[in-house]
Amino acid sequence: GENVEQHPSTLSVQEGDSAVIKCTYSDSASNYFPWYKQELGKRPQLIIDIRSNVGEKKDQRIAVTLNKTAKHFSLHITETQPEDSAVYFCAATDYSSASKIIFGSGTRLSIRP
Amino acid sequence: DAGVTQSPTHLIKTRGQHVTLRCSPISGHKSVSWYQQVLGQGPQFIFQYYEKEERGRGNFPDRFSARQFPNYSSELNVNALLLGDSALYLCASSSGTAPATNEKLFFGSGTQLSVL
Repeated sequence: GENVEQHPSTLSVQEGDSAVIKCTYSDSASNYFPWYKQELGKRPQLIIDIRSNVGEKKDQRIAVTLNKTAKHFSLHITETQPEDSAVYFCAATDYSSASKIIFGSGTRLSIRP
Repeated sequence: DAGVTQSPTHLIKTRGQHVTLRCSPISGHKSVSWYQQVLGQGPQFIFQYYEKEERGRGNFPDRFSARQFPNYSSELNVNALLLGDSALYLCASSSGTAPATNEKLFFGSGTQLSVL
């Protein structure tokens, strides 16, 4: 089955700097890669997603890149702000069971003022 | 416009008891998925139901069961609770069998289950 690894587990950046979170997946059949943001005590919220037919997608300060050959995908947050502090999860589909999303272990992002 | 709603928000049980968690999807959504999130980890897939039929099952023991009702709401049942069942249980809804289709998953706020 699919396995998703996420790095780093914690990340601290100065406000205004960029943050990058990296994930790898194992199943070459996976073709949908969402990113979720979870603030303390709250629900995971979808912030951006990418499908395997594109290599990059951008939404304001957030961008995601996908390298299908290397089975890597990354989240980039530019001009970080205090409200970006949260746990971020990458995820991938497992096409052995199309309804299932496999999540990474999460990255706790802290923005230093 | 209401999002995914779950009840109760918090629950305390003792080992061996059973528990029922409830979820109402976004209006118009026909699919409900259940995930278990242990503290410090990512959510793990338990079940998906679409149009009242089970469409997917994760690697969880038979103590875990679920069902979906004609109004598309869902229940997750866990029997013979163990200490390791303590977690945040998340429900997610989509209009179809996401992520296989182009729909997105939207999560509820979860039920925090503590087993003592």
